Amino acid sequence: AQKITQTQPGMFVQEKEAVTLDCTYDTSDPSYGLFWYKQPSSGEMIFLIYQGSYDQQNATEGRYSLNFQKARKSANLVISASQLGDSAMYFCAMSHMNTGFQKLVFGTGTRLLVSP
Amino acid sequence: EAEVAQSPRYKITEKSQAVAFWCDPISGHATLYWYRQILGQGPELLVQFQDESVVDDSQLPKDRFSAERLKGVDSTLKIQPAELGDSAMYLCASSRTSGGVNEQFFGPGTRLTVL
Repeated sequence: AQKITQTQPGMFVQEKEAVTLDCTYDTSDPSYGLFWYKQPSSGEMIFLIYQGSYDQQNATEGRYSLNFQKARKSANLVISASQLGDSAMYFCAMSHMNTGFQKLVFGTGTRLLVSP
Repeated sequence: EAEVAQSPRYKITEKSQAVAFWCDPISGHATLYWYRQILGQGPELLVQFQDESVVDDSQLPKDRFSAERLKGVDSTLKIQPAELGDSAMYLCASSRTSGGVNEQFFGPGTRLTVL
């Protein structure tokens, strides 16, 4: 079964601090991709970062980095130097080669609140 | 910057009525997706189009939901009749091609409330 688990319903962080949002996944497909999306209160899903299952290095995009631990099947998102605008829902998602990497399976999300 | 357009942004309807949502993907994006996001959950894929053809509609409740993308550009998702459990956010997304890993770009969504 293909499943994404996000165990943190909510996280709090102070502005300028770093925060880690947890994501674990379950799949039997050796070829897959892992994504993180941000969903502000306005509703749209904003792509943040991508990690392929065969990528040797952890992905980074500006203040976002993905801590990929393949053996543990975890793909945690690290946000450095948090900003007030980072307050939003964050979703981890996965796609597989057997669906042409098209179908995204999402977790239940983590709500991040950044305080001044 | 190109965006995925959706309308309406909000829709309130009574159960047993028909509703329709419209999506215009980013120009040149061949793949279009409709997702449903129930409050407190992540989005769930309802239907995927490659140009005008349906690639995956395995999670679409076909007794009441229909989707079309007649000219391979914009798309309409219809619910008839609407039920209370259909209250959710309906998100449209598009991506460039169907092969390999492609970032999906999402629209602002249509928030449906069924009374």
